[in-house]
Amino acid sequence: DTGVSQDPRHKITKRGQNVTFRCDPISEHNRLYWYRQTLGQGPEFLTYFQNEAQLEKSRLLSDRFSAERPKGSFSTLEIQRTEQGDSAMYLCASSRGAGLGEQYFGPGTRLTVT
Amino acid sequence: SQQGEEDPQALSIQEGENATMNCSYKTSINNLQWYRQNSGRGLVHLILIRSNEREKHSGRLRVTLDTSKKSSSLLITASRAADTASYFCATVPIYNQGGKLIFGQGTELSVKP
Repeated sequence: DTGVSQDPRHKITKRGQNVTFRCDPISEHNRLYWYRQTLGQGPEFLTYFQNEAQLEKSRLLSDRFSAERPKGSFSTLEIQRTEQGDSAMYLCASSRGAGLGEQYFGPGTRLTVT
Repeated sequence: SQQGEEDPQALSIQEGENATMNCSYKTSINNLQWYRQNSGRGLVHLILIRSNEREKHSGRLRVTLDTSKKSSSLLITASRAADTASYFCATVPIYNQGGKLIFGQGTELSVKP
């Protein structure tokens, strides 16, 4: 296992710009999750995929957010028209099987919106 | 939307001492997991305890689960400076089929050498 990777690790953008993050899960993992974490808080669930199907989206995921997982491999999370409130760490995780076990997290992408 | 409450929010101890962190949650669960996060990094899974288990050990870690009180505790024995990190409990609700984790707010542990 090479682990879950995320790119970029840091992103600074101006309010109103669009940003896209990428997550590469562990290769044999069928489930992929996105979480958002703000300073001093625990991660909050955003969305998850089973293979290429997006099966659940949190109410936190406004219509400015979109996620994809083409071909059930890597995933992208796009934020359109960024706002200062979008500043956070965006974490990706993957797991195998039914998804009830441990999740393997990537290092995260820290987004700062100025 | 976070389910868990963790106590204490911050804990400072000397190397060699034991550290105990508590977690409470609101809904019925399939399992409860503990994760560690070093400053500004991703989370690392520590231990998973199922709803039908009461206690679990892994190395210097001991986790207990009381489903009647909807609470769990994590004990780290003989702490080391390298244990300095934030610790989060996370639940997999019983109603949830996707396995999404519901995290608490975390306990920030500082172990002084």
